[in-house]
Amino acid sequence: AQSVAQPEDQVNVAEGNPLTVKCTYSVSGNPYLFWYVQYPNRGLQFLLKYITGDNLVKGSYGFEAEFNKSQTSFHLKKPSALVSDSALYFCAVRDITASKLTFGTGTRLQVTL
Amino acid sequence: SAVISQKPSRDICQRGTSLTIQCQVDSQVTMMFWYRQQPGQSLTLIATANQGSEATYESGFVIDKFPISRPNLTFSTLTVSNMSPEDSSIYLCSVEDRRTGGEKLFFGSGTQLSVL
Repeated sequence: AQSVAQPEDQVNVAEGNPLTVKCTYSVSGNPYLFWYVQYPNRGLQFLLKYITGDNLVKGSYGFEAEFNKSQTSFHLKKPSALVSDSALYFCAVRDITASKLTFGTGTRLQVTL
Repeated sequence: SAVISQKPSRDICQRGTSLTIQCQVDSQVTMMFWYRQQPGQSLTLIATANQGSEATYESGFVIDKFPISRPNLTFSTLTVSNMSPEDSSIYLCSVEDRRTGGEKLFFGSGTQLSVL
C-alpha cells in the first residue's frame, strides 16, 4: 500500500520569506512523487514531479522540491513567497508499478503582506 | 498537455435524485480517473474508467452508486445515484496523458455538488 502524509494543515508565511510545505511518503517500491496546487474553485494544477535523477526538482512558479530517500520525504520549497502563492497544496505518490495516485490531505498555504 | 472540460461546474440537487457529470478530453487518453474531494479533505479515487470495459472501483465505492461510462478514448461520465447530503463534494475527472510521459495526471476544473 502507498500513503502520503502532510503533517501541517496550514502554513503561514510573510511575503518575501522562504516557504516549506512538508510531505513524507510510503511505498513498497520506487516512488513517483508529485506536487499539485489547487486555487479556489479550480481543479488541481501540476507543479512538479520526481521520477528519477537529481534529488532537487524544479517546477512551475519558482517552486522546487527535494527528494530525500532516507527520510522518505519530498518537501516543497520556494525561496521567496508571493501572496499569489496562497492556495491548497497536495503531495501525491505513486508506486512505479501502479497507475493509482495517492494524495495527501493537503496543506493550505497563506502568504501575507 | 491534455485539456479537460468537465460539466456541470456546480449543481444543487435534491435528495434521492441522480446527477451525471461529463468529462471531455481534447486528445485520446488511455487512463481516465474519477476522484472525490469532500469538504476539507483530500482527493479519494472513486474508480478508473476503462474504455470498452467496466470501470474498476476502489474500496468503498460501488457501481450501483457511481455508474461510469467510457464510450471512447476522449469521453467519460460519472453518475452519482440516489443522492444524499453525504454525497456533497467536489468530483474531479483526471487523465493520464502519455504524450507527456504518462506519469502525471491532468485534472478537470471539478464539479461542486451540493445535495439538499
